[in-house]
Order: sequence, then structure tokens, then C-alpha cells
Amino acid sequence: SAVISQKPSRDICQRGTSLTIQCQVDSQVTMMFWYRQQPGQSLTLIATANQGSEATYESGFVIDKFPISRPNLTFSTLTVSNLSPEDSSIYLCSVGEQGVSPLHFGNGTRLTVT
Amino acid sequence: DAKTTQPPSMDCAEGRAANLPCNHSTISGNEYVYWYRQIHSQGPQYIIHGLKNNETNEMASLIITEDRKSSTLILPHATLRDTAVYYCIVRVPPQNNDMRFGAGTRLTVKP
Repeated sequence: SAVISQKPSRDICQRGTSLTIQCQVDSQVTMMFWYRQQPGQSLTLIATANQGSEATYESGFVIDKFPISRPNLTFSTLTVSNLSPEDSSIYLCSVGEQGVSPLHFGNGTRLTVT
Repeated sequence: DAKTTQPPSMDCAEGRAANLPCNHSTISGNEYVYWYRQIHSQGPQYIIHGLKNNETNEMASLIITEDRKSSTLILPHATLRDTAVYYCIVRVPPQNNDMRFGAGTRLTVKP
């Protein structure tokens, strides 16, 4: 399976600032997704990162707050903008191919907003 | 997507088999069952998936009932390192390419 690297692994940010998270895969993948995991909760899908076009966002997530880029088939970024303490979560990148094969996940970025 | 129901927590003695149930009574004929686990501070790890036949790999076995309304993940000889949250997900590719996570089962393996 693909090796997924997320950077940074953790960060502490001040309220009102932004954090950009990178997801790098060691091989080309068709699909890339971004998830959020709030403290003590399960994973929630934020958006599908589409190569060369705008991301597809889930209900409750908007582009102004979570802009996503995917310039090629191995790389994507998620920015969490105008941070508030409620954004303190783990953000995870997931990749896979269309079809039955499972998705694979990075180890996430732990964000703390003070 | 069909929804899944799992017990919130389970305990298992080290060295014994851990049997984790999942109910997916509204599953459709072309939906697959996937299992993941998440060990603290790590991303979810894929374990196994199946459609209607029982499946086995080096990590676990997946038993799907004949009516496909439920399944059981079996860890044959649980170790302390198997302590994690286990998620059962149903998905019908290629219409649904992402994974939708429920609350999962927190398995604690005790010495």
C-alpha cells in the first residue's frame, strides 16, 4: 500500500491564524480525502481533494474555512483558516484507488489552537 | 449508505480470540464490509474487507452472515497491542469512494 506522509505531525497555533497541512504519497493515487477527528470522536470526512479542480466538500465544511489544493496525483494540502479553539482536532489524509480496494490513512496532524 | 451498529466497548483476555460484532441490517447487495482499527495517536489501519464470503488474512478473519445483515471480526489470539478502536464500515464502490466512520468499538485486551 502507499506510504503517506503528513506534515506537520503536530502544531500549536494561535487563534486567528491559519495552518497548512501537507499530505505526500510515495506513488500516484486516484483519490485523496481529508478527515477531521475531534477529541474523543470518530472521523468525519471534510472533503474530497480533486486533482486539478476544486475540492468537493461535505455538508458543514466550506472552502473559505478549509481550502484544499491538489496540484498532482501525489500531493495535497489542507489549510485550516481563521483558527479558533474549536478547530483543535486531528486532521487526517486518506488515499486510495477507485474500486473495491480500501483507503489508507496517514498518521494525522494534531492541531491545538490556543 | 447502510449504517452500522457496534457495541461501544469490549474486553478480551490476552491470548484469547476477540470477536467484534457489527450490525448492518440495511446493507444493499453490492455494499462491501470493511474493518479498520485505530490505535491511539495513529491513523486508522485497514484490516480486512468482504462482500459475502468469509475472508481471512494475516491479521484477522471476517465472518459475514448469509443474509449479510451482520458480520464479526475475529482476532484469533489477541495481544495487548490489539487494544484499539475498531470500525466497521459499509461502502459501495465506485459510487462511494470515501469511508464513513461510525463510533466504533473500543477493544481493551487485558493481561
